[in-house]
Amino acid sequence: NAGVTQTPKFQVLKTGQSMTLQCAQDMNHEYMSWYRQDPGMGLRLIHYSVGAGITDQGEVPNGYNVSRSTTEDFPLRLLSAAPSQTSVYFCASSTDTYGYTFGSGTRLTVV
Amino acid sequence: AQSVTQPDIHITVSEGASLELRCNYSYGATPYLFWYVQSPGQGLQLLLKYFSGDTLVQGIKGFEAEFKRSQSSFNLRKPSVHWSDAAEYFCAVGAPFSNDYKLSFGAGTTVTVRA
Repeated sequence: NAGVTQTPKFQVLKTGQSMTLQCAQDMNHEYMSWYRQDPGMGLRLIHYSVGAGITDQGEVPNGYNVSRSTTEDFPLRLLSAAPSQTSVYFCASSTDTYGYTFGSGTRLTVV
Repeated sequence: AQSVTQPDIHITVSEGASLELRCNYSYGATPYLFWYVQSPGQGLQLLLKYFSGDTLVQGIKGFEAEFKRSQSSFNLRKPSVHWSDAAEYFCAVGAPFSNDYKLSFGAGTTVTVRA
């Protein structure tokens, strides 16, 4: 089925470890983004991309890196995990008319 | 910069009763407005959106929302709630004529439906 695929669905990391959350879409959307969801705070934008080779910071970018080498893929890297990065992470892609499709999320726990 | 406020953190409603969720936005002009629903453990699903035109917008699952420019509001309503409507609801705003299509979300309202 067409859509946004996120892997893994669950992950436990130790403080200081690094990892990459994967996101892939097959709808040929130019716009992709990463959000984190925390209780009582809604979804906050981490990084976004308006096309291959172009990325920019969102509201809460510290501690995260992204790259966009292809239209399909938009991985999110945690450089040195901290307990404050315990959250649910959503990847999304969009058309140029705000037609958003969200992935099913990655639940990350940092201990 | 745009922002969204959802004043109600949690609402409990009886099955069959009406539901209204509040959303207030801050933006220099008329923004694009959205309501999303998130069932437990799931991603976000679009309920409805407003870009322009008729200020009463119909969505999926029997939901509607009304844009009121004078109140900077975009409240979501449903006349008769079903148990399956128990979920978290997010209001979001986007900037028209944007070239980055960023959405700003409210903190969400959790809806509990009692039998």
